[in-house]
Amino acid sequence: ETGVTQTPRHLVMGMTNKKSLKCEQHLGHNAMYWYKQSAKKPLELMFVYSLEERVENNSVPSRFSPECPNSSHLFLHLHTLQPEDSALYLCASSQAWTSGNPYEQYFGPGTRLTVT
Amino acid sequence: TQLLEQSPQFLSIQEGENLTVYCNSSSVFSSLQWYRQEPGEGPVLLVTVVTGGEVKKLKRLTFQFGDARKDSSLHITAAQPGDTGLYLCAGGETSGSRLTFGEGTQLTVNP
Repeated sequence: ETGVTQTPRHLVMGMTNKKSLKCEQHLGHNAMYWYKQSAKKPLELMFVYSLEERVENNSVPSRFSPECPNSSHLFLHLHTLQPEDSALYLCASSQAWTSGNPYEQYFGPGTRLTVT
Repeated sequence: TQLLEQSPQFLSIQEGENLTVYCNSSSVFSSLQWYRQEPGEGPVLLVTVVTGGEVKKLKRLTFQFGDARKDSSLHITAAQPGDTGLYLCAGGETSGSRLTFGEGTQLTVNP
């Protein structure tokens, strides 16, 4: 495997279900991100992990719970979601930010989530 | 929070035409990145520019970073159907902790 992989690619879940999204990066990076992409909206940053520590949580509802067990893996645990949570969820990775680092992020293919 | 505005939002052209997509902000960015995203896939990084006034070329694509590092443009020469996709610009905030994305330009190149 190369780059950033995400599983599953598609997920349909009811509002009472619990599911998890998985992301794995094979680029030797030490920062990982979750984004939400909805139609006609800019990418919304949800969570940032740098050196396995959560450094950013952008007022995301508690029904989304991230987990970063090591620098290569990132999970997004989902429970009691709402229909408006249906979107493409993208994982990305990069080197942790340092002064002078152009901070390039590399994205996975995303998980298309539909909440019914 | 820094904002990036992209224009146009939608662009439909014929194969062989030239086009320019713009990315503008009132804020200064430490870097500016351009991505292309195809349906059902994640964004793919095309280029990063970091110096004011910098110009980079990638085959038929030319990227420019504004002198003040507040804006950028993407010019495509002789567009081809394979160029179809959502083009996203993203600015690296000077604090370094995040990228700010524009809403994207949906480009369709018709054969």
